[in-house]
Amino acid sequence: DQQVKQNSPSLSVQEGRISILNCDYTNSMFDYFLWYKKYPAEGPTFLISISSIKDKNEDGRFTVFLNKSAKHLSLHIVPSQPGDSAVYFCAASEDSGGSNYKLTFGKGTLLTVNP
Amino acid sequence: KAGVTQTPRYLIKTRGQQVTLSCSPISGHRSVSWYQQTPGQGLQFLFEYFSETQRNKGNFPGRFSGRQFSNSRSEMNVSTLELGDSALYLCASSPGSYTDTQYFGPGTRLTVL
Repeated sequence: DQQVKQNSPSLSVQEGRISILNCDYTNSMFDYFLWYKKYPAEGPTFLISISSIKDKNEDGRFTVFLNKSAKHLSLHIVPSQPGDSAVYFCAASEDSGGSNYKLTFGKGTLLTVNP
Repeated sequence: KAGVTQTPRYLIKTRGQQVTLSCSPISGHRSVSWYQQTPGQGLQFLFEYFSETQRNKGNFPGRFSGRQFSNSRSEMNVSTLELGDSALYLCASSPGSYTDTQYFGPGTRLTVL
């Protein structure tokens, strides 16, 4: 049972345009969401996070939107750059009251930004 | 600060053997989590250690075990290896609070023949 789903295995965009990566979740207990970026032969690198008490969080070119009623979040990258080409993972966690940090990941979306 | 380091980076074993992987967290971090990444299942949580205690555990069989030392370094052990254990094993460290960012190491690529 996949609790975090990234339905697009890949996405291709032109440099300078917007990249939108989507993620859906099924577990209503998730209350903290993160995006990680992963290059080949490296571990995932944290990008941006959002708590369930917010619906938007921005950090430079990266913005994450959370729609709790739809159990959907998205990552917007504007403008997209060739160096953004990587696999992007959506992750979620729930606060188990002291037993924490178990991230549930989606399977990732390969973003390719073409010059 | 040095990042999370994992040793070895690559490992080849045969079915039935056991393997131990090591993870050194970022200095000052007390939480270490382990994840398995496979093409079919993606990134899956194995377990998390905090102050030498297993604080959280994923849905993996008992062949997968771990421990954490007083200096926060962690080891993960897999006994009686199966072909399906071939994967990239990632560890991540964080200071230890719920919303602290987890920083991942480069992983250990385990191949079981």
